[in-house]
Amino acid sequence: AQTVTQSQPEMSVQEAETVTLSCTYDTSESNYYLFWYKQPPSRQMILVIRQEAYKQQNATENRFSVNFQKAAKSFSLKISDSQLGDTAMYFCALGQGGSEKLVFGKGTKLTVNP
Amino acid sequence: GAVVSQHPSRVICKSGTSVKIECRSLDFQATTMFWYRQFPKQSLMLMATSNEGSKATYEQGVEKDKFLINHASLTLSTLTVTSAHPEDSSFYICSAPEGSSYNSPLHFGNGTRLTVT
Repeated sequence: AQTVTQSQPEMSVQEAETVTLSCTYDTSESNYYLFWYKQPPSRQMILVIRQEAYKQQNATENRFSVNFQKAAKSFSLKISDSQLGDTAMYFCALGQGGSEKLVFGKGTKLTVNP
Repeated sequence: GAVVSQHPSRVICKSGTSVKIECRSLDFQATTMFWYRQFPKQSLMLMATSNEGSKATYEQGVEKDKFLINHASLTLSTLTVTSAHPEDSSFYICSAPEGSSYNSPLHFGNGTRLTVT
């Protein structure tokens, strides 16, 4: 079975600072994808970043980057220069393919304070 | 860009009635769609995989007779909550991959908040 664990239910950060959200996962598959989704109060699921497991290089999207440690099955999200608009729930997710069904973690509620 | 349209965004119904939620892929065809359920302040749980032209695949513990899924065309999947009860009140979200390749992007609908009174 595939599982995703987010151990930080809530986090807060000051505007312009950096914050890291943790995620660990478990899967028996050798080929899989990892995702971070943002869910603001509107409840819309917004893809933040994704990582293919076969790629060693950590994915980066502007202020968002991941630290993918395959052996440790860890996939943390770093948000640099935090902005007020980053306030949201963040879900880590695991899928067997980029377009397959996903297993989600329980989420981390991030609050960016002015 | 590709969008998944989900309707209604909110619905209130009385206990015992049925409610239909639609999920449409705009500007692309989706042979597969996924239906998730999200309880307040909790994660998304996959309910079922909707397949165009064939029966849906339900996750363990999901009642297929209660949550009817119909993938009528390459752009439309519907979830019908039959004989709704207050415990069915939840947030339902659909998603669809744009394309059939392993690497196709996944698009989410805006979700439907169902309240059963």
